[in-house]
Formats: sequence, C-alpha cells, structure tokens
Amino acid sequence: DGGITQSPKYLFRKEGQNVTLSCEQNLNHDAMYWYRQDPGQGLRLIYYSQIVNDFQKGDIAEGYSVSREKKESFPLTVTSAQKNPTAFYLCASSIRGGMYNEQFFGPGTRLTVL
Amino acid sequence: LAKTTQPISMDSYEGQEVNITCSHNNIATNDYITWYQQFPSQGPRFIIQGYKTKVTNEVASLFIPADRKSSTLSLPRVSLSDTAVYYCLVGDNAGNMLTFGGGTRLMVKP
Repeated sequence: DGGITQSPKYLFRKEGQNVTLSCEQNLNHDAMYWYRQDPGQGLRLIYYSQIVNDFQKGDIAEGYSVSREKKESFPLTVTSAQKNPTAFYLCASSIRGGMYNEQFFGPGTRLTVL
Repeated sequence: LAKTTQPISMDSYEGQEVNITCSHNNIATNDYITWYQQFPSQGPRFIIQGYKTKVTNEVASLFIPADRKSSTLSLPRVSLSDTAVYYCLVGDNAGNMLTFGGGTRLMVKP
C-alpha cells in the first residue's frame, strides 16, 4: 500500500535532549512537509522540501532541523533550542509543491518532553 | 496567502445538511480554495478544491459566488462519523505554505 508513515506514534524525551522524528513516503512525491499542531489549534508549517537536497523554513523553524537526502525520507530533529517542543507533529507529502496539489498526511507523532 | 475566517464551531444532527462558510475577502486572482477534514489525533485529509462556481465530488460540494470573497462547504446528510474539524485554505499554486487556521469544529449529534 502506498502512503506516509511516521514513527514512533508516541515519543517521550527529557528536557534538553535532541530527538528525531521519522517520516517516510512511498508515493513517489517530490514535496514533503512538517507541521506542528498544539491542542485545539490549527497546523503550523515548520519546514518543507520541494526536491531532494533542498528544503525551506516555514513559519516556526526555530529549534528544528531537517534533511532530505532521499526522495522518500524527510526526518525532523527537534533540538534542545526548541523552547516548547511538546506537540503533535504531522508529516505530509504532495506530488509537487503548491496549493493546487493535494497534501497527504501521515498518522502523526505525539512528542512529550518531560 | 489570503486570510480566512470560519466559525469556530457548529452543531448538527444526523441526516441534516451542513453548510460551513469561509470568508476570504482578500482572495487573489490566482488563488484556489481548498477544504481539509481532520479527525482527532489524525492528519488532515483533502475534501474538495475549487476556483469558482460549484464543485461536487462524492463527499461534498463547494459553492463559490462570483466575487469569490467567500465559499461554502456543503456536507449532505451528515452522520456521526462526520464529526471533525474542517479547515478552509486559500492560496495559489506558486505558494508552498498551507496555512491552516483554527478551522470549524463540527459536532454531529444523534
């Protein structure tokens, strides 16, 4: 089955530790995205990538880092510089970038920093 | 991206038609209107997209008046499983950033 996978579903980390969230897609999509969602709020864009080896900052990139070494993978690292990292993190992909192209979302990773 | 305004929440009953209106007064000529649905603890799912007049698919209809300053998502005969948050987004194909506002929380009651 084609789709987007994120792992793990739940993640707990101690304050001050870096943590990497996985996102993999087998849809052969060029564009991939990372969003953050806080309780009762909409999604906010962290980073996006339109093509391998290229990525751009979104609205709230501070304290996060990404890489796009392979078309199917777009891992997100939440660094210790992120002041309030506890949130629901969603990865998405689309055939290409741009509003016209439907974004397909993964199941999300819920990160809790203790 | 054009700013959108939606009602925070709506209630309905099973079997009713639900209409959710989104205001986007500063929509640009090249902007499309897209609606996503999100269930709790899941990622959003694309519902429908349109540019003008009316678009219909197996899930919903989207009505866009001539001035395009608003749009209405219509869900026919809702069921309990339609309880979700619905997001209206407006933007052109050149932009890569989807801006999800707070959305409209639809509660369908038996």
